[in-house]
Amino acid sequence: AQSVTQLDSQVPVFEEAPVELRCNYSSSVSVYLFWYVQYPNQGLQLLLKYLSGSTLVESINGFEAEFNKSQTSFHLRKPSVHISDTAEYFCAVSGFQKLVFGTGTRLLVSP
Amino acid sequence: SAVISQKPSRDICQRGTSLTIQCQVDSQVTMMFWYRQQPGQSLTLIATANQGSEATYESGFVIDKFPISRPNLTFSTLTVSNMSPEDSSIYLCSVEIGGADTQYFGPGTRLTVL
Repeated sequence: AQSVTQLDSQVPVFEEAPVELRCNYSSSVSVYLFWYVQYPNQGLQLLLKYLSGSTLVESINGFEAEFNKSQTSFHLRKPSVHISDTAEYFCAVSGFQKLVFGTGTRLLVSP
Repeated sequence: SAVISQKPSRDICQRGTSLTIQCQVDSQVTMMFWYRQQPGQSLTLIATANQGSEATYESGFVIDKFPISRPNLTFSTLTVSNMSPEDSSIYLCSVEIGGADTQYFGPGTRLTVL
């Protein structure tokens, strides 16, 4: 069975500072990995995904995540955050055509 | 991706009643999913709904409580039956598009049971 651990429930950061949201996964089979973002009172939006190939994947709004097989991690990073990045971020792992979500990390960006 | 809509967007219901949530997608998809997000928590898969077959429920969820219909490749409904305050949650549908288990989500239905 797959599982996902997001150790940080909340990450406060100042605007224009870098941020890293941590995600570790467990699986007995090869997996696909995803980051979703949920803005207040909205549904989930796919931010980026790792399927295969290059271990570094990027989103259109400046986030990136690196798949590290040896450490079973898929941390999300952004070099400079904006107020509008304030949201809940969910890491997910797939297997057997299902997604298993982590508990989420609330990113709070303040001026 | 796809455009996914849900109705209603929110509702307040009385204990003991039932609510049917609709999910519509703008393209034909094989696999649709229903999730529950309880207040302040992550998403939990309720069931997988494939067109032309019975929905497959996850452990802890049963058809009598959460009946699902999937009449065609663009539409599904989830009914929350005999509701109690513990059913107060956001209910989200999603679809798999492009393979590789990639799912896209609807905006969710925020349900409050009094």
